[in-house]
Amino acid sequence: KQEVTQIPAALSVPEGENLVLNCSFTDSAIYNLQWFRQDPGKGLTSLLLIQSSQREQTSGRLNASLDKSSGRSTLYIAASQPGDSATYLCAVISMGGTSYGKLTFGQGTILTVHP
Amino acid sequence: SAVISQKPSRDICQRGTSLTIQCQVDSQVTMMFWYRQQPGQSLTLIATANQGSEATYESGFVIDKFPISRPNLTFSTLTVSNMSPEDSSIYLCSVVPGLSSYEQYFGPGTRLTVT
Repeated sequence: KQEVTQIPAALSVPEGENLVLNCSFTDSAIYNLQWFRQDPGKGLTSLLLIQSSQREQTSGRLNASLDKSSGRSTLYIAASQPGDSATYLCAVISMGGTSYGKLTFGQGTILTVHP
Repeated sequence: SAVISQKPSRDICQRGTSLTIQCQVDSQVTMMFWYRQQPGQSLTLIATANQGSEATYESGFVIDKFPISRPNLTFSTLTVSNMSPEDSSIYLCSVVPGLSSYEQYFGPGTRLTVT
């Protein structure tokens, strides 16, 4: 059974800092890994998708890496801003099984960027 | 990508009643899913909504409690039946538009409170 863990559970940083969020998964047979952002009381916004054959993806100030062999992904946020404050969720799609396309989520990292 | 809407956005219901949540997508999609997010928790998959056939439920979720319909490639409903306070959660619809990447997009969610 796939399990996804995110560290740290919460992070508070001053504006302008570069930061790294960590995600680990137990079963390396994944199809892809997706990072999401969730604002309080809202749905999820897809930030980055890394397919299993890829090592990293970049979008603006965000960079996500994937190391399947070690079961790890990191989300790097450069020059953080107060608007980046949200919960960041990591999720993986495992290959095969009856629930193809199913996302298994980590518990999330609550990020607060203060001015 | 896909634009997803859900109705209602929130509701307060009495114990023992049922609520049907609608999910509408602006384009035909390959896969549709229903997730639950309990207070302070991450997301858990309830079921895969299959077009024209019975949904595929995850362990711990049953059709009598969470009947799901998907009459076409753009619409699905989730009913939460015989509700109890433990059903108070955010319910989210998600879609996979195509099978090239399995990138998943989420609706805004339905916040349900059961009293």
